[in-house]
Amino acid sequence: DQQVKQNSPSLSVQEGRISILNCDYTNSMFDYFLWYKKYPAEGPTFLISISSIKDKNEDGRFTVFLNKSAKHLSLHIVPSQPGDSAVYFCASAPSDSWGKLQFGAGTQVVVTP
Amino acid sequence: DVKVTQSSRYLVKRTGEKVFLECVQDMDHENMFWYRQDPGLGLRLIYFSYDVKMKEKGDIPEGYSVSREKKERFSLILESASTNQTSMYLCASSPGGGPRIGQPQHFGDGTRLSIL
Repeated sequence: DQQVKQNSPSLSVQEGRISILNCDYTNSMFDYFLWYKKYPAEGPTFLISISSIKDKNEDGRFTVFLNKSAKHLSLHIVPSQPGDSAVYFCASAPSDSWGKLQFGAGTQVVVTP
Repeated sequence: DVKVTQSSRYLVKRTGEKVFLECVQDMDHENMFWYRQDPGLGLRLIYFSYDVKMKEKGDIPEGYSVSREKKERFSLILESASTNQTSMYLCASSPGGGPRIGQPQHFGDGTRLSIL
């Protein structure tokens, strides 16, 4: 059973607008959360992360929000750019997991002109 | 920059063959991982290694084995390939210990394996 769920397989957004990607998890032991971005024919690349002691982490156009009580995190991309068109994976793990991450199924983002 | 190199981008093999997928990283990372990526399922961990000659099963180890004889190299072995092992295989590495902020896993570009 998947412990990390991305319920939206795809998202279309206009250039310049906000993209909001959602992720839910079931394991209350998870305390480290990451977002990866993947272009076709390339490996995933790390985008941004957050630990459970925070509820928000920001890096340029990317912000991740964590709601531990709801076991929910989201990634905001503002403003969205054509180069943001990619598959985004949410991942999480407990801190004692030797780096073993559980990944969601991914959300395909398409940024339109 | 961390470089994780997978030996083949595309590979076609036949059912029953023994298949080797190779991965090399150049950042002296302790941890190395093998995942497979399938549509609608995301990335699923097959095996990982936290040190030379050490290995741990991931979520879907059946039909696979691994080898780590040198720190920089981690091999995935399909003992007797089957059609349900057709997939994208991704190798990753990270510094030792559990996940920490600023030390995410770094991925190779993947091997698209087809079993006929």
